[in-house]
Amino acid sequence: DIQMTQSPSSLSASVGDRVIITCRASQSISNYLNWYQQKPGKAPKVLIYAASSLQSGVPSRFSGSGSGTDFTLTISSLQPEDFATYYCQQSYSPRALTFGGGTKVEIK
Amino acid sequence: QVQLVQSGAEVRKPGSSVKVSCKASGGNIRTYAISWVRQAPGQGLEWMGRIIPIAGTANNAQKFQDRVTITADTSTNTAYMELNNLTSVDTAVYYCARVGCSGNNCYFEYWGQGTLITVSS
Repeated sequence: DIQMTQSPSSLSASVGDRVIITCRASQSISNYLNWYQQKPGKAPKVLIYAASSLQSGVPSRFSGSGSGTDFTLTISSLQPEDFATYYCQQSYSPRALTFGGGTKVEIK
Repeated sequence: QVQLVQSGAEVRKPGSSVKVSCKASGGNIRTYAISWVRQAPGQGLEWMGRIIPIAGTANNAQKFQDRVTITADTSTNTAYMELNNLTSVDTAVYYCARVGCSGNNCYFEYWGQGTLITVSS
């Protein structure tokens, strides 16, 4: 299976900060990479698909980039509602989908 | 708008089985893959397997190969996940999710609300 490694596992940031989360795949996955946001007690919500495409309705402060094995999720100006846990997920192997371990974004 | 509504929380004893349902409204499950994802308390997301109802095919993550059965009833627009031989480590919230695709890139576009399964003697 393709292993997905996220870093950092947690971070503290202030409202207005630029936040960058990275995700590395154990092999090349082209752009088959999705990002999700999960708040406590809620189901995950897709933010970015195909590495850089913004899901409809998601604020433009979220952006994704990368290809191959290295990917980033950027929040350009952190808002109070963005404090959550973020997961990357590869869809390169549809019969063996895998998620990263998650990055918890907390208030500094 | 597609909505996935899952069955309610369950408590099971070790060694038993549980079957969780996921009923879709606002869209037909027939043509889209439905996956099951679980999340143990305080832990990350773990993909368990999927079914593609129109193809009649299902596959599981290797970890769950022998214990999970995923089925779908297109007449009722409902998918099911049955997990056998439960142990305490199976205590988790179980989600169903329907994919959306952009070309060959697919992602979990719609999610159920989650079903808490507690395994305890």
